[in-house]
Amino acid sequence: DSGVTQTPKHLITATGQRVTLRCSPRSGDLSVYWYQQSLDQGLQFLIQYYNGEERAKGNILERFSAQQFPDLHSELNLSSLELGDSALYFCASSPGTVLLPITDTQYFGPGTRLTVL
Amino acid sequence: AQKITQTQPGMFVQEKEAVTLDCTYDTSDPSYGLFWYKQPSSGEMIFLIYQGSYDQQNATEGRYSLNFQKARKSANLVISASQLGDSAMYFCAMREGPLSGGATNKLIFGTGTLLAVQP
Repeated sequence: DSGVTQTPKHLITATGQRVTLRCSPRSGDLSVYWYQQSLDQGLQFLIQYYNGEERAKGNILERFSAQQFPDLHSELNLSSLELGDSALYFCASSPGTVLLPITDTQYFGPGTRLTVL
Repeated sequence: AQKITQTQPGMFVQEKEAVTLDCTYDTSDPSYGLFWYKQPSSGEMIFLIYQGSYDQQNATEGRYSLNFQKARKSANLVISASQLGDSAMYFCAMREGPLSGGATNKLIFGTGTLLAVQP
């Protein structure tokens, strides 16, 4: 158990709908990351938050948005869902306070499997 | 250009034997970190081992060790005494330093190697 929790574990919805994925980081971690894993794209970085502020952005669609709350949990909102959005969405967390960022190990949650029908 | 290359889509190994999973990377940044993760069929991503570009010694964590060859830009994972529970997908990932620019905090993943441990 990494200490990162994600809910829900599974989500089935229809095209055009909006869903919210939730993540609670490990105790003490300030950084939260979101990744998407799909068969055709592999594991792709979406976005990072550090202590409530957006820190880095990757291949995140405009239909997707995220935020990190004062208690450090994070939510990823996916709207106007398309079939191609079906994927495993991971949240990861890291301390974010290490002196050398390259050593800042990310620990992943169990993921939310999204199926868009 | 792919920054992380895992050339072995799948591998078999006999229980109790050692196995090496290959990973090569591409970066011009002198500062980077290399990570290996395990993804069992249940789906979660489990951190296994880390190697920093400035580390003088190869990283080890229990039965996992990293064969880091900086000049060749390779960071192969060695699993000793394979167990049935080691059957999973294994991902190599890299985190580049600040000189790379852009989203430097992200992990860049390879396509993974599916390892099957046979009894």
